[in-house]
Amino acid sequence: DQQVKQNSPSLSVQEGRISILNCDYTNSMFDYFLWYKKYPAEGPTFLISISSIKDKNEDGRFTVFLNKSAKHLSLHIVPSQPGDSAVYFCAARSGNTPLVFGKGTRLSVIA
Amino acid sequence: DSGVTQTPKHLITATGQRVTLRCSPRSGDLSVYWYQQSLDQGLQFLIQYYNGEERAKGNILERFSAQQFPDLHSELNLSSLELGDSALYFCASTSGQGKETQYFGPGTRLLVL
Repeated sequence: DQQVKQNSPSLSVQEGRISILNCDYTNSMFDYFLWYKKYPAEGPTFLISISSIKDKNEDGRFTVFLNKSAKHLSLHIVPSQPGDSAVYFCAARSGNTPLVFGKGTRLSVIA
Repeated sequence: DSGVTQTPKHLITATGQRVTLRCSPRSGDLSVYWYQQSLDQGLQFLIQYYNGEERAKGNILERFSAQQFPDLHSELNLSSLELGDSALYFCASTSGQGKETQYFGPGTRLLVL
């Protein structure tokens, strides 16, 4: 039973346009959500996070939106750059419990 | 560079064998987490240690065990290996027990033939 779902295995976007990566969750106890980015042959690196008391968090080109009623979050990258091409993992947790990860979405930004 | 190191980078072994994966956390971090990433799967949490003690357990098989040593490095032992154990194994570290950002190592790719 997957508690965190990333239903799009891959996404292609043109350079300069917006990339939108989506994530759905089923556990209403989750109170903190994170996005990690992973390049080949490297470990995941933390990108941005959001607490359940907020609905938006922005950091430069990256914005995460949280819709608690829909149990949905999304990561927006504007403008997309070729260096953003990577696998993006959504993760969630409740309190101090371990992170639960989605399967990831492979983003390809085409120049 | 996250500051978390893992050795070896690659490991090829046969079914039935036993291997040990090693992780050194970032300087000052007390928690170590182990994850398994199988093909086309997300990262599955295996186990967490904090300052030498087991803190949380996930979907870790009985054939797998881990420990954290006084110098805070951790080892993940995988025994009676099966083909399905082939995966990427990541460790991550944090300074505290759970709410901090996790910093991941580069992973160990295990191939069981």
